[in-house]
Formats: sequence, C-alpha cells, structure tokens
Amino acid sequence: AQSVTQPDIHITVSEGASLELRCNYSYGATPYLFWYVQSPGQGLQLLLKYFSGDTLVQGIKGFEAEFKRSQSSFNLRKPSVHWSDAAEYFCAVGPGTASKLTFGTGTRLQVTL
Amino acid sequence: DGGITQSPKYLFRKEGQNVTLSCEQNLNHDAMYWYRQDPGQGLRLIYYSQIVNDFQKGDIAEGYSVSREKKESFPLTVTSAQKNPTAFYLCASSAHLPGLAGGTGELFFGEGSRLTVL
Repeated sequence: AQSVTQPDIHITVSEGASLELRCNYSYGATPYLFWYVQSPGQGLQLLLKYFSGDTLVQGIKGFEAEFKRSQSSFNLRKPSVHWSDAAEYFCAVGPGTASKLTFGTGTRLQVTL
Repeated sequence: DGGITQSPKYLFRKEGQNVTLSCEQNLNHDAMYWYRQDPGQGLRLIYYSQIVNDFQKGDIAEGYSVSREKKESFPLTVTSAQKNPTAFYLCASSAHLPGLAGGTGELFFGEGSRLTVL
C-alpha cells in the first residue's frame, strides 16, 4: 500500500532563512507527487507536482522540490522564506488518479521575524 | 474567476441532526471529491464522483451521503449516524478522469466548511 511520511510536525524558521520540508513516500512504481499549502481555515493550494522528466521541479511562490528515487523522497525547498509562507504544507503521492491520492499528515511552518 | 465554492464556511449542529454541506464548481471538471480533515491528520477521502448520477465511497464513507445530480454540484450530508462529525470538510475537483491521457491526479480545493457538533 502507498504511504507518505512527513517526519516534521512543526518547523520554525527565521524570515530570510532557507527552508527544507521533508517528505518520504512508499510506492511500488513511479509515483505522481504533489506539494500543497494550506493557510489557516482555508483550502489547499497546489505548489508543485512531479510525475516525469526533470527531477527538480519548480513551483509557485519560489518553491522547488527534488524527486530522489533512491531515497524515496520529495523534499520541498525555498532559498529565502517570507513571513507570508507561514502555513501548513502537505505532501501527497498517488498513481495519477485523484481518488487514489494519499496525503501526509502535514508540516506546520512558523516564520519568525 | 473559476473555482470551487463551499458553503457554509461555519456550521453548528446539534447531536441527532443531519446537515448538508454545499459544494459548487465552475471549472467544468468531471470529477469531484469530499475530504475530511482533522488536526494532526492528513486528508481522508469520504466520497467521490466521476460523473453525474454516479459516486463511489472513499475510505471513511460511513455516516455520510452524497448526490451528484448536476456536474457543477456535489453536496455532502453528514447524517446523525456519523459518530464524530466535528471536523473541517474540504471539497475538491479534478479535470481528468482516471485513465485519460494527461491525468495527473491534481486536485483543486474549495475553502472548506467547519462543522461543529454542540
């Protein structure tokens, strides 16, 4: 069965510092991978996705993620965090069918000024 | 602007009452989904529909019901049989049906409805 692990429940970074949010997955074939962001009391917004091609993918708001098959990871990065990036971030894995998407439990990002 | 509209944003229910959450989309998407979100947990799929007048149970369908009479609308009813209904409910849609070329499983979400049982 497919699964997603986000090992960090809560991360605090200073504004301007770099950020890396971890995502490890278990999947039997080449997965479709997603990162979503959720502001408090809001729905989820897609940051980026990977399903083939270049393993380094660029997303919105200056985020990027790298697919590493050997490590079963799809970590999210941003070189310089802004206070507005404070939110909860969800990694998801699936076979390319939305009804089979599995979400991680999320990482809450706090940004200090 | 195209998007997904959920209403109400906040809803309070007494025990034993059924409540219906509305979800409307103008993205012309075929597939629609309902998720439940609880603190510290990921999203869990309640029901989904790939076409009008058809829907399938997700992982936690017990105590919930849905209908899909129009492509644009996918209301969720939380029945009195749902033992722990207090949660944040998210409606989503996707452009592609399973198996169609170009489908990636990307979801577009509404802003959610928070249900509290008093």
